[in-house]
Amino acid sequence: GAGVSQSPRYKVAKRGQDVALRCDPISGHVSLFWYQQALGQGPEFLTYFQNEAQLDKSGLPSDRFFAERPEGSVSTLKIQRTQQEDSAVYLCASSLNRGSGNTIYFGEGSWLTVV
Amino acid sequence: AQSVTQLDSHVSVSEGTPVLLRCNYSSSYSPSLFWYVQHPNKGLQLLLKYTSAATLVKGINGFEAEFKKSETSFHLTKPSAHMSDAAEYFCVVSNGVAAGNKLTFGGGTRVLVKP
Repeated sequence: GAGVSQSPRYKVAKRGQDVALRCDPISGHVSLFWYQQALGQGPEFLTYFQNEAQLDKSGLPSDRFFAERPEGSVSTLKIQRTQQEDSAVYLCASSLNRGSGNTIYFGEGSWLTVV
Repeated sequence: AQSVTQLDSHVSVSEGTPVLLRCNYSSSYSPSLFWYVQHPNKGLQLLLKYTSAATLVKGINGFEAEFKKSETSFHLTKPSAHMSDAAEYFCVVSNGVAAGNKLTFGGGTRVLVKP
């Protein structure tokens, strides 16, 4: 596609519910990132994939958060047993490769509200 | 380790006057630096990037930034603000391949443009 596509754009979940957020990166992009942006703050790194390999998951806040990219293209971020503090915008980004200075393109985000 | 400090959380300017958004960074490597803009309910858009070439970087929509290694700064400027420039701006640092291309965002500067 023309850009990074994320779905759903908006999700309201009841506390304790599991959610899955999908990211379609730009076609051919090797690197894929997930970021979390709380209200009024800058995005914070969650995890990074190069093709299907998850090379860095140091930013995942707890073991309730899980990300996968099984075929090296589409990625899913799953949050189990959601809590109110999980309410945030989840941003997906991709870049052509992992070279230094490569432009990283962001999707419009999935807005999660946990009630 | 890398970090970014945006010195102003809010900046208010009159249309047609200059804009200055201040950013200082800390990095263990030779960093790549970026400025992104985020309009309400929209994704992050890249304004410009510095990747160890010319220290004065020109971006889209008339923005430019100057990399000053001695001051560890990467301030963003525009000679004449337009109403459409009202948005949130993020200064971002990346240590490139050595850090998995992880982006570290500043806290953001919200720009208000008065008519």
